[in-house]
Amino acid sequence: SAVISQKPSRDICQRGTSLTIQCQVDSQVTMMFWYRQQPGQSLTLIATANQGSEATYESGFVIDKFPISRPNLTFSTLTVSNMSPEDSSIYLCSVEHGRAGEQYFGPGTRLTVT
Amino acid sequence: GENVEQHPSTLSVQEGDSAVIKCTYSDSASNYFPWYKQELGKRPQLIIDIRSNVGEKKDQRIAVTLNKTAKHFSLHITETQPEDSAVYFCAAEMYSGGGADGLTFGKGTHLIIQP
Repeated sequence: SAVISQKPSRDICQRGTSLTIQCQVDSQVTMMFWYRQQPGQSLTLIATANQGSEATYESGFVIDKFPISRPNLTFSTLTVSNMSPEDSSIYLCSVEHGRAGEQYFGPGTRLTVT
Repeated sequence: GENVEQHPSTLSVQEGDSAVIKCTYSDSASNYFPWYKQELGKRPQLIIDIRSNVGEKKDQRIAVTLNKTAKHFSLHITETQPEDSAVYFCAAEMYSGGGADGLTFGKGTHLIIQP
């Protein structure tokens, strides 16, 4: 499987500010995804980020709140904008790698908004 | 969109016994069904998956079965060990050669192995 890293691993932010989370993969991958996992809950897909095209957002998530960049095949960023306490979550990137469909997750970014 | 239901939410079994976790999905277009294990504070780890052209798949002590007609799939863990204690998530996705939709997850099952 691919080696996936995320920065920062955790952060505490003030409401109204923005945080950009980075996801780096050690090999080129076509498909990258961003998920949110609220405390004690399951994972929810935020958006799909493919290189060379606009990100595709799931219902309930909008580009103005969660802008995504995918400048190349090994890197993506997710920005959480104008944060509120409800945005406190773990944000995980994943990549599709290896046999078709297998997704592997990064270590996550634990965000606390005060 | 896809909806995945997972049961039970908590499962406690004696060490050495078997554990079964069940999931149902709603979208008949889904064709890829992975299972993830997540230990506290760690990332989800892919443990086994199955595609819609297969009815069953085994990997040592774990197995997954799929019933496409009924739209349900199950995870079976035999000879459970303390290190099997974790939260397990099922997921579903429609995957094609052109790409994937992204995973829809069940709510998770907290598996507790009693010594």
